[in-house]
Amino acid sequence: AQSVAQPEDQVNVAEGNPLTVKCTYSVSGNPYLFWYVQYPNRGLQFLLKYITGDNLVKGSYGFEAEFNKSQTSFHLKKPSALVSDSALYFCAVSSLIGGYQKVTFGTGTKLQVIP
Amino acid sequence: DADVTQTPRNRITKTGKRIMLECSQTKGHDRMYWYRQDPGLGLRLIYYSFDVKDINKGEISDGYSVSRQAQAKFSLSLESAIPNQTALYFCATRGRWGQETQYFGPGTRLLVL
Repeated sequence: AQSVAQPEDQVNVAEGNPLTVKCTYSVSGNPYLFWYVQYPNRGLQFLLKYITGDNLVKGSYGFEAEFNKSQTSFHLKKPSALVSDSALYFCAVSSLIGGYQKVTFGTGTKLQVIP
Repeated sequence: DADVTQTPRNRITKTGKRIMLECSQTKGHDRMYWYRQDPGLGLRLIYYSFDVKDINKGEISDGYSVSRQAQAKFSLSLESAIPNQTALYFCATRGRWGQETQYFGPGTRLLVL
């Protein structure tokens, strides 16, 4: 079965410090991996994705993520956190199952950037 | 203007009532999805549609039905609402193969009393 794990319900980081939001996945085929961000009272917004190619993916707002096949991880990172980065972050995996692309979302990680 | 819109944005209803949530998109995408979001559970897929004539159940379709009235419109109905259907509901769209990113509407917050 396809699954995504976000082991931390909440991550707290001081403004200006680097941040990491963890994600691991399990799929039987080749994964497509995504990060979405949700601000309060808003829908999910796409941040970045890994489909193929370079393992380090750069996305919106200075975020990046590294695909690690051996560790089945796709951690979200940013070198210097901003207060405005505080939001709910979702990791998602998509793979071909039964002839269609099935998408599974993680449970979300709340990022709190402390001024 | 938003590419994916949902109406209503907030709704309070009573147990046993029928309610419809609507989703419209201007992205020209074939694929449309309905998810519900509950704290600690992430997003769970209710129904999805690959085109007007192709509708499929997701993980948690019981108690829900959908209608794809046109390529741009995908409605979710609760035939007889119950309190555990209180949640945040999101519509999403996606293009065809090679356009894997999903685009989400702003959500509908539903409270069933």
